[in-house]
Amino acid sequence: AQSVTQLDSHVSVSEGTPVLLRCNYSSSYSPSLFWYVQHPNKGLQLLLKYTSAATLVKGINGFEAEFKKSETSFHLTKPSAHMSDAAEYFCVVTYSGGYQKVTFGIGTKLQVIP
Amino acid sequence: GAVVSQHPSRVICKSGTSVKIECRSLDFQATTMFWYRQFPKQSLMLMATSNEGSKATYEQGVEKDKFLINHASLTLSTLTVTSAHPEDSSFYICSARSGGSLTDTQYFGPGTRLTVL
Repeated sequence: AQSVTQLDSHVSVSEGTPVLLRCNYSSSYSPSLFWYVQHPNKGLQLLLKYTSAATLVKGINGFEAEFKKSETSFHLTKPSAHMSDAAEYFCVVTYSGGYQKVTFGIGTKLQVIP
Repeated sequence: GAVVSQHPSRVICKSGTSVKIECRSLDFQATTMFWYRQFPKQSLMLMATSNEGSKATYEQGVEKDKFLINHASLTLSTLTVTSAHPEDSSFYICSARSGGSLTDTQYFGPGTRLTVL
C-alpha cells in the first residue's frame, strides 16, 4: 500500500520569506514523487519530480525538493516567496511495481502576505 | 512542454441530460489518460485510467455506466457524464502520460467545471 501525507492544509508566509511545504509518504516499493501546483479554477502544473536520480530536485519558479528516504519525506521549499506563488500545492506519489496507482495528498494552500 | 487541453472549460446542463468532455494531448501522443474529479477545497480523486484502444479501468465506487470513457486515439479521450444530476456537479480534470511507466510525468488539462441544474 502507499499513501502520501501533506502535514499542513494551510501555510501562510510573508512575501520574500522562505516557503516550506511538507510531504511524507509511505510505499512498499521505491516511489516516484511529484509536486504539482494548482491556481484557482485551473488545472495542475508540474513543479518538479523525483524518480530515483539526484535526491535534491530543482523545479520551476525557484522551487526545489529533497528526497530523504530515511525520513520518508519530500518537502517542497523556496528561498523567497512571491505573491504569484499563492496557490494549492499537491504532493503525489506513484510507484512502478505491482498494481500501478497514483496517490494524491490532500493539498496545502499557500497564502502569501504582502 | 507538453500541453493538454480540455473542452469545454465550463458547462451548465439540465438534470437528466448527458455531457461530453474532451481531453486532448496537443503535442505528444498519450498512451494513457486519466480522469479525475475534484470537489471544492479537496484533493483530486482518480476516477478512471484509460489506455488507447482498450477499455478504461475504473476506480472503486465510480459507476462505469454513468461515466463513459472513450480513448479512441493517442491524442483524444472523452468523458461522458450520462443522465447528469446535481450531485455530479464538480471540477473534472484529465491528465495524459506519454510513457507507460508511473515515473513518467502526467500532464494535466485545465479542467472542466460542470454544473448540473
